[in-house]
Amino acid sequence: ETGVTQTPRHLVMGMTNKKSLKCEQHLGHNAMYWYKQSAKKPLELMFVYSLEERVENNSVPSRFSPECPNSSHLFLHLHTLQPEDSALYLCASSQDVGDGLYEQYFGPGTRLTVT
Amino acid sequence: QQPVQSPQAVILREGEDAVINCSSSKALYSVHWYRQKHGEAPVFLMILLKGGEQKGHDKISASFNEKKQQSSLYLTASQLSYSGTYFCGTEKADNQGGKLIFGQGTELSVKP
Repeated sequence: ETGVTQTPRHLVMGMTNKKSLKCEQHLGHNAMYWYKQSAKKPLELMFVYSLEERVENNSVPSRFSPECPNSSHLFLHLHTLQPEDSALYLCASSQDVGDGLYEQYFGPGTRLTVT
Repeated sequence: QQPVQSPQAVILREGEDAVINCSSSKALYSVHWYRQKHGEAPVFLMILLKGGEQKGHDKISASFNEKKQQSSLYLTASQLSYSGTYFCGTEKADNQGGKLIFGQGTELSVKP
């Protein structure tokens, strides 16, 4: 595997379910990100991790719970979601954070539908 | 504060040029440009740092005017492969690091 991979690619879940999204980067990067992309809306940053430490939580509801066990893996745990949480969830990684120097590499995303 | 991109959409014939603008009301440290094709992940194009620099590769270039808090992406002699949605992402001058705020995107369609 190369680059940034995400599983599953598609997920349908009920409002009472608990599920997790997985992201893995094979680039040796130190920083990882979760973004939400809804139709007709810009990319919204959710969380930023640098060396497994959360450095940004962009006012995301607690029904989204991130986990970064090591610098290569990032999870997004989901529980009691709402229909408006249906969106494409993108994971990204970069060499580091800070100073505006680092390009981000995105995974293909997980298309989430909440019923 | 979300940057504003203009135009929202543009249709070109192959070989034509286009300019996409990205403006912010806040002082900026850097501007990132990405392209996302339908159903695919965003792909990095370039980063511009404050200092008014310009960058480019192939027939795509960009400029960053920090005084105007604006960046422009120039696509010259467009090709069919340029079709997609272009996003600018801005990082504020006082940013803690890693927090890009993206514009709403500009949808570019290149027709034969």
